[in-house]
This record gives sequence, structure tokens and C-alpha cells, in this order.
Amino acid sequence: DTEVTQTPKHLVMGMTNKKSLKCEQHMGHRAMYWYKQKAKKPPELMFVYSYEKLSINESVPSRFSPECPNSSLLNLHLHALQPEDSALYLCASSQGLARGLAKNIQYFGAGTRLSVL
Amino acid sequence: KQEVTQIPAALSVPEGENLVLNCSFTDSAIYNLQWFRQDPGKGLTSLLLIQSSQREQTSGRLNASLDKSSGRSTLYIAASQPGDSATYLCAVNTGANSKLTFGKGITLSVRP
Repeated sequence: DTEVTQTPKHLVMGMTNKKSLKCEQHMGHRAMYWYKQKAKKPPELMFVYSYEKLSINESVPSRFSPECPNSSLLNLHLHALQPEDSALYLCASSQGLARGLAKNIQYFGAGTRLSVL
Repeated sequence: KQEVTQIPAALSVPEGENLVLNCSFTDSAIYNLQWFRQDPGKGLTSLLLIQSSQREQTSGRLNASLDKSSGRSTLYIAASQPGDSATYLCAVNTGANSKLTFGKGITLSVRP
């Protein structure tokens, strides 16, 4: 099973709302990632967690707040977003961050399409 | 700073044709390169991963090659089918934290 599950699939929110995106994997992976993808653009890395600790924050605005409560679950809490934050948010996981043969394959979820009104 | 380029941005071919998708990168100090497929509005599906020490990887009708010294990779698709229509992205891993740098992708359309 190489499945990464993201919920919800679609989300519409106002600029004053608070919402959360959820990502789950049961492959025993210890690294999890959030990416943002605008239309017709490549994914851009936002955050990386390794062993439930934040490893990379790509200078993401504080209105995006990641959380990794356990090794299988990754959340992205959203507050006071702007219309330009509308995008496809992708979660990915990999065995770890090591440079070894199999560990670096990143498996992606189907994404959450977010619209901010 | 690593930059990944995929040209052309779009490609249309008749069914049955063999085709090559190109990817180039500026910094040859990579750990691996990964090819993905993305259908419209969907997530990414990993197709092939090539480690820096490898020259090629094969999966079914797909073959990916890597020439690290020249900063190039190709994805070869044999006997293309309409179901192969999608956007194909390559991504290189150059960081200790497995950070992927993506190209903008090539949107492939295979005509029946």
C-alpha cells in the first residue's frame, strides 16, 4: 500500500475562517511534506517533518501552521488566508530523509483544492 | 540555486509513437531524480526514481535515463497510448532534507 490520503478533497473558506487540512499515511514513513501548487505551476515545498519534528519551513507565512501529532498524521492549520492562497495543497511522505537508495521516493496524496473567497 | 527545465511545455503525438521527454538541471550535485505524472487537478504519481549512481531505470513502457555530468535526464515512453495523456514532471533532490526541485512539467497529449 503506497497510499497517502488527504482530506478534504475540496475546501472553500472565507478570509476570516479557520480550517485544517489533514494528511494520513500508514506506510511507516517518518518524513512528511506539505507542498503548494498553483495552476499550471510546479509544486513548491512548504514544510518538511522528520520523526514528527519540523525540519524545513520554506519561509511560509504564519497564517499556515503545520502540525505533526504522530508519525502517520500531518495537519495544516489555516487562518486568515488571502485569495492568493487558493491552490492545490499536496501532502507527501517518504521513508526518511536519508540519501539512501529507497528512502527518498516521495509518495503524494491526491491533494486538497483550496479556494479562499 | 538548482534550476530544473523541461522543454517543450506541451507535446501532442499520435497514438503508438515512441517519444522522449527531456529534463535538464543546472547543479549536477544531485542525490536522485524522480519522474512524476500528474493528471488534471490530481496529485502526483511517482513513475521512476534514478539514484545519482545509476544511469537508467525501467518500468513497463517507461525508461528514464540520467546523465548527471551533463545535467540531463530523459523519460522514454514506448508505444504511447491516449491514457498516457497527462503532465510529466521531473524533480531533483539536492538537499540533505530530501527537498525536491521541480521542473514546470510537459503536458503530453496522445491523439487516438
